[in-house]
Amino acid sequence: SQQGEEDPQALSIQEGENATMNCSYKTSINNLQWYRQNSGRGLVHLILIRSNEREKHSGRLRVTLDTSKKSSSLLITASRAADTASYFCATDDLKTSYDKVIFGPGTSLSVIP
Amino acid sequence: GAVVSQHPSRVICKSGTSVKIECRSLDFQATTMFWYRQFPKKSLMLMATSNEGSKATYEQGVEKDKFLINHASLTLSTLTVTSAHPEDSSFYICSAIRQGSEEKLFFGSGTQLSVL
Repeated sequence: SQQGEEDPQALSIQEGENATMNCSYKTSINNLQWYRQNSGRGLVHLILIRSNEREKHSGRLRVTLDTSKKSSSLLITASRAADTASYFCATDDLKTSYDKVIFGPGTSLSVIP
Repeated sequence: GAVVSQHPSRVICKSGTSVKIECRSLDFQATTMFWYRQFPKKSLMLMATSNEGSKATYEQGVEKDKFLINHASLTLSTLTVTSAHPEDSSFYICSAIRQGSEEKLFFGSGTQLSVL
């Protein structure tokens, strides 16, 4: 079953704008990860944020985590056409296994040149 | 970085045949691998957890006899779609756990299965 849920499901922006994607989850987690997937390809790991962290940066990416609201956001600044892809959040589930990772439905991002 | 190789990347088969998909961890040992299924424009659905040397753990609703998983070594897990039918057509992705790394979960590039 899916644990995380992304919002919005689809997002279209102009190149140079910022893109914000949100993710909500249901159970207690150890960490939350964001992945990127180009159409028909495998997943690329973007960033991991632990449950005791509130914010993390990596290049043009900024991830926040609010464990009280069971939500996370991924911000991509100064977007580029090459950022066009689907983005998924993924969480482990402390109730079942630290290793088992469940994915949200994803946000399809289109960056228009 | 760690690499997970998945093969084949694309397979087309006739209805009723069986298809085997391989997932290999190339530079690390993986006692645990996961198999996911993905429909077009949808997310990854966890099918099963593959454990080296023991039986796979299947998610609710996944047919064990339909999707056979074998994890015979620390670097190889296979998923066999038995007696494939058109409704089995999908994108299948494996991942492997690498302990000791923050990223921990490394993905194969996926297999697009088309059953005619």
